[in-house]
Amino acid sequence: DTGVSQDPRHKITKRGQNVTFRCDPISEHNRLYWYRQTLGQGPEFLTYFQNEAQLEKSRLLSDRFSAERPKGSFSTLEIQRTEQGDSAMYLCASSLVWGVRTQYFGPGTRLLVL
Amino acid sequence: AQSVTQLGSHVSVSEGALVLLRCNYSSSVPPYLFWYVQYPNQGLQLLLKYTSAATLVKGINGFEAEFKKSETSFHLTKPSAHMSDAAEYFCAVIQAAGNKLTFGGGTRVLVKP
Repeated sequence: DTGVSQDPRHKITKRGQNVTFRCDPISEHNRLYWYRQTLGQGPEFLTYFQNEAQLEKSRLLSDRFSAERPKGSFSTLEIQRTEQGDSAMYLCASSLVWGVRTQYFGPGTRLLVL
Repeated sequence: AQSVTQLGSHVSVSEGALVLLRCNYSSSVPPYLFWYVQYPNQGLQLLLKYTSAATLVKGINGFEAEFKKSETSFHLTKPSAHMSDAAEYFCAVIQAAGNKLTFGGGTRVLVKP
C-alpha cells in the first residue's frame, strides 16, 4: 500500500507568480486534507475534501488560494499572486471517512517565495 | 474551540535516558489524540493514537503515551532514547465527530551521545 505522495517536494518562485501543488492520497481514502506549516510551528488546517466535494475551508485560505479534487482522487492546491508570507511547507493528508479517520500525511511541498 | 499545548519547544536528552514530552489539551468533549513525528524536511509520521479504548497507548519505535482525562494530558514517553529519535514531535487533537486536526506547537528533541 503506497502512502500519500506530493509533488513537487520543493518550489522556489518569485513574488507574484502562480504555483500549483499536487497531492495523491492513499488509494482507498475518501477524505483529503491540506495543512500549512510555517517554520517552528505546528501544521494549521486549510481545507478538506470528501470525495470531490470541498466541505470545509479555513479562514487561512484567502481568495488567492484554491483547491480542487475533480475526480475524487488526487487534489491540487493553487496559490495565485504569491506573497513572501506564503512561504511554508504545504502538507497533504488523507483518511477514511468512517471510524477514527486517522490522517496519514505526505512528505510535503516546501514553498519559498522570493 | 479545542487547543493543544506542548510544554517545552526544545528538549535535550542523553542517549539511553528517558524521553518525556508533555501535551495538554482543552476540549469540551473527550477527543481523539495523536502524536506525530517529523524528521527534517519530511512530512508527519504517526507515532500513536488514543481513541477512547485503553488509556495507555503503545506506538512505534518504543514510544507510548498515557491519556489522563482528569489532567487533560497525553504525555509521550520512551524509556531509552536513541540517536534516531532526534526529530520534532507534534501532539494533535480532533473531536470524535470532527474533521480537522489541531496541533500543538511541537517539541524538538535533541539526543546527545
